[in-house]
Amino acid sequence: DAGITQSPRYKITETGRQVTLMCHQTWSHSYMFWYRQDLGHGLRLIYYSAAADITDKGEVPDGYVVSRSKTENFPLTLESATRSQTSVYFCASSPTGSGNTEAFFGQGTRLTVV
Amino acid sequence: RKEVEQDPGPFNVPEGATVAFNCTYSNSASQSFFWYRQDCRKEPKLLMSVYSSGNEDGRFTAQLNRASQYISLLIRDSKLSDSATYLCVVRQNHDKLIFGTGTRLQVFP
Repeated sequence: DAGITQSPRYKITETGRQVTLMCHQTWSHSYMFWYRQDLGHGLRLIYYSAAADITDKGEVPDGYVVSRSKTENFPLTLESATRSQTSVYFCASSPTGSGNTEAFFGQGTRLTVV
Repeated sequence: RKEVEQDPGPFNVPEGATVAFNCTYSNSASQSFFWYRQDCRKEPKLLMSVYSSGNEDGRFTAQLNRASQYISLLIRDSKLSDSATYLCVVRQNHDKLIFGTGTRLQVFP
């Protein structure tokens, strides 16, 4: 199906483990974003990408790594998971970075670090 | 200080009421502005873009004041189905989207 999909939808991992959250979009949108959502903080930007092989830090990038070797994929890796990274993670994509273009969100990944 | 600030609410209003949400942003270079809606445990979805001249979509009216760096959303004739969290969003530097913490609305019968 066309759209933006995240996997897994739910993940429980242990402190110190590496975990990768996947994001895939079928629209060939240039821009992709990763956010985390926590109570009291709203959505905070972790990393974003304007095109394949171009990534930039957002508000809260520490502890995360991203890559974008293909336009349609934008995986987010937690190199050594910590309990403070327990959160709901949303991936989004947007056709361009200008004007009033809409960003479309995946359904989210609920990550628990124990 | 957060770059985009909203009153978290909750706003509890009866059906049929008019309710207004406000948002302020700190980066004067912000170019585009939006309101997104998020239902409980769901992803955010675009409600409407906000244009400099103000714009309306049915019961929803959005206003932008660039001089004051202020955005508003007015909902008239509230419905039970309007219950959600409303997120103020700004686009900076022609790329990244920054979200406010959201304002929760609960419409009761």
